[in-house]
Amino acid sequence: KAGVTQTPRYLIKTRGQQVTLSCSPISGHRSVSWYQQTPGQGLQFLFEYFSETQRNKGNFPGRFSGRQFSNSRSEMNVSTLELGDSALYLCASSRGTGDSYEQYFGPGTRLTVT
Amino acid sequence: AQSVAQPEDQVNVAEGNPLTVKCTYSVSGNPYLFWYVQYPNRGLQFLLKYITGDNLVKGSYGFEAEFNKSQTSFHLKKPSALVSDSALYFCAVRDTESRDDKIIFGKGTRLHILP
Repeated sequence: KAGVTQTPRYLIKTRGQQVTLSCSPISGHRSVSWYQQTPGQGLQFLFEYFSETQRNKGNFPGRFSGRQFSNSRSEMNVSTLELGDSALYLCASSRGTGDSYEQYFGPGTRLTVT
Repeated sequence: AQSVAQPEDQVNVAEGNPLTVKCTYSVSGNPYLFWYVQYPNRGLQFLLKYITGDNLVKGSYGFEAEFNKSQTSFHLKKPSALVSDSALYFCAVRDTESRDDKIIFGKGTRLHILP
């Protein structure tokens, strides 16, 4: 079974631009979550989608948005990029949205904002 | 609101010795607890979880973790460390009785196994 895939793997953008990251979950998984990982802040939750609906949202500004499609694939968008948005963005999928489900992570997209 | 703490940024252990990576949590209800490992330039991999039942949970790669409700801890352990265990380890918690049921991760503990 193929794992979680994320594209692109690496991205360099300049301040003020916007970016879209893509995530394809494991086949059969309906829940997709997004995280931002930085050395200083660790792993911070961005949002979770299940059946095309946002279930949870972390404490990030409105510049960060996402969506999920009917095939469970998900995208996240960051508008008006800032230097502080440089991070590893991780996507994770799980079978359901129940509390006990473990998550399966993709390799991440490394975003550098200059 | 739920929270999780990993009090050690880094743990150094000699190969062959037992290892412990500490994790404490705070939730209003019962916790679901998880351990994940991250190898360099890779995403996180699930190691083990505690949902209910036996307090000692066994997971991948010979790791185990002990749920201690009175101490609100879920420490990760392995009887004999391997150099290949060197990685970044994350503890995570979900509060089963919170409306906001997102999973919260600790800041991670870097484990160095010395040959």
